[in-house]
Amino acid sequence: GENVEQHPSTLSVQEGDSAVIKCTYSDSASNYFPWYKQELGKGPQLIIDIRSNVGEKKDQRIAVTLNKTAKHFSLHITETQPEDSAVYFCAASRTPFNTNAGKSTFGDGTTLTVKP
Amino acid sequence: DGGITQSPKYLFRKEGQNVTLSCEQNLNHDAMYWYRQDPGQGLRLIYYSQIVNDFQKGDIAEGYSVSREKKESFPLTVTSAQKNPTAFYLCASSRGQGSYETQYFGPGTRLLVL
Repeated sequence: GENVEQHPSTLSVQEGDSAVIKCTYSDSASNYFPWYKQELGKGPQLIIDIRSNVGEKKDQRIAVTLNKTAKHFSLHITETQPEDSAVYFCAASRTPFNTNAGKSTFGDGTTLTVKP
Repeated sequence: DGGITQSPKYLFRKEGQNVTLSCEQNLNHDAMYWYRQDPGQGLRLIYYSQIVNDFQKGDIAEGYSVSREKKESFPLTVTSAQKNPTAFYLCASSRGQGSYETQYFGPGTRLLVL
């Protein structure tokens, strides 16, 4: 099955700096890569996603890049703010989701702390 | 408002007791999931269901049971066979077959053992 590794497990940056979180996946058939943000005591929420036919996607201060050849994808947060402090999870899956192999596999999470 | 709800927010279990966690969604999603999250750890899949009246074991199904009698509902029972049930439980849903697998999570239920 799919295996997703996420690094680093913790990341501390100063407000205004950039933060980068990286994930690698093992199943070359995976074609969908979402990123989720989990605030303390809450459920994860989707912040950005990318499909395998795209190499980069940007939404304001957040961007995701995908390297299919190397099987890794990264989350980039620019101009970080204290409210960006949270746990971030990457995931990988493939469509069509009609088999056990198609369900999402999550990374172990990165705890991001943005210091004012 | 469309969304996914979980209840209760906190649940206490006594030794040898079965407890049931509720999960309801009004997003008209076919697929629903249960995850367990331990402190400082990632999400581990307990059970998932792609369609009503069908569900599959995830990576850590032992000591848990589910049902999917309605599209909107996917309750999780933590049985007395689960010896270490203290954790944060997350329910999620997604559109299902043929769709990209964006998952929408509920607010979670924290289960504590007395």
